Amino acid sequence: QITLKESGPTLVKPTQTLTLTCTFSGFSLTTEGVGVAWIRQPPGKALEWLALVYWNDDKRYSPSLKSRLTITKDTSKNQVVLTMTNMDPVDTATYYCAHNDYYDTSGSPQDGFDIWGQGTMVTVSS
Amino acid sequence: QSALTQPASVSGSPGQSITISCTGTSSDIGKYKYVSWYQHHPGKAPKFLIYYVNKRPSGVSDRFSASKSGNTASLTISGLQAEDEADYYCNSYTSDSTWVFGGGTRLTVL
Repeated sequence: QITLKESGPTLVKPTQTLTLTCTFSGFSLTTEGVGVAWIRQPPGKALEWLALVYWNDDKRYSPSLKSRLTITKDTSKNQVVLTMTNMDPVDTATYYCAHNDYYDTSGSPQDGFDIWGQGTMVTVSS
Repeated sequence: QSALTQPASVSGSPGQSITISCTGTSSDIGKYKYVSWYQHHPGKAPKFLIYYVNKRPSGVSDRFSASKSGNTASLTISGLQAEDEADYYCNSYTSDSTWVFGGGTRLTVL
């Protein structure tokens, strides 16, 4: 059974750097085709894809946020960390991590975000 | 990368069918079959409903179906039930090698 859980501060000040950790179980981030993504949702707004790291350390970033984001993985700890610099009140959101796989259980193409964590709310305020 | 375009809201009565559209471009929906759909009840984790345009993960009701034509993907929910009331999001892989979500559609079951 795959599970993911986000952790990190609930409140950060403007201009600070946010560090969020996704701790997962039930899969390995060394398995070909597997990735972990970060996705956020500001209050009352839509989901926004932020970043993803693959098993082979290939990293992808939202073009609009690329300069502020860094995603890393620690396979020994089963964790993925997202850092976002220069936080602003508009970054107030629930931040989710999610499992991604090239393939479904039958080996056919998938590539969706099939399992999500419960999310962690981050407020940016002085 | 602009968000995919979805209607802000749709509604239907129990037992009816509704369709939610998701319009992108030739750089995302029009180019790839990596289109997925998610159901999101507020306060809960989003649920994976559809992948690779029209595939259902194990455990997802066959009342949910989807398709794609050109730059537009569609999600159809048949036999509407009260528990279907939620927000629905489409997602597509893009030519930037990234992903983009739609703006979300609030489904109201009347």
